[in-house]
Amino acid sequence: NAGVTQTPKFRVLKTGQSMTLLCAQDMNHEYMYWYRQDPGMGLRLIHYSVGEGTTAKGEVPDGYNVSRLKKQNFLLGLESAAPSQTSVYFCASSRHPTERIYEQYFGPGTRLTVT
Amino acid sequence: AQSVTQLDSHVSVSEGTPVLLRCNYSSSYSPSLFWYVQHPNKGLQLLLKYTSAATLVKGINGFEAEFKKSETSFHLTKPSAHMSDAAEYFCVVRLTGGGNKLTFGTGTQLKVEL
Repeated sequence: NAGVTQTPKFRVLKTGQSMTLLCAQDMNHEYMYWYRQDPGMGLRLIHYSVGEGTTAKGEVPDGYNVSRLKKQNFLLGLESAAPSQTSVYFCASSRHPTERIYEQYFGPGTRLTVT
Repeated sequence: AQSVTQLDSHVSVSEGTPVLLRCNYSSSYSPSLFWYVQHPNKGLQLLLKYTSAATLVKGINGFEAEFKKSETSFHLTKPSAHMSDAAEYFCVVRLTGGGNKLTFGTGTQLKVEL
């Protein structure tokens, strides 16, 4: 049982390049999330999904797109990377709220640098 | 709107002394509150959670937190710090509305000295 995994762990991009971050969970969780972490700002929600085939915007969605084609996977895309997107990205998953277990489980993170 | 405020960005303690990390919340409803810990270059791990059951919540590694509605606080404590407790700690509140979304405090960096 690996929990939440993220690929890749590190990446360096040049401004304008594109990339996709992959998140996978093996806990059969319904909900999945993408966050970014910047110094002194805690974690901020980029996009989230409440089930296969659904996506929704979070607090800081601009410059990112997501897809949830399979229940266990949640992809985060950067179409044209900018230096302001240099950050550590975390994926998380959680059960459906009707189960009244609200905590989210986090992956190990992807450190992205845009030059 | 719900939010949390972590009152200290850095806390330094000596090994073996008590730890107190302070968090105040803002919520119109009875909130669900969490503390997460992040060790250097690692993901976030759930320490403990409050979801309207007992107001004193025990977590992993000897940590506990007390929900005080009158003070709108959810401070994290540990009786005796260990070197391995050095990490960043986040106080988190669950938002009402759809999506099971969380909002994070800005974090408290705990340093443990010999």
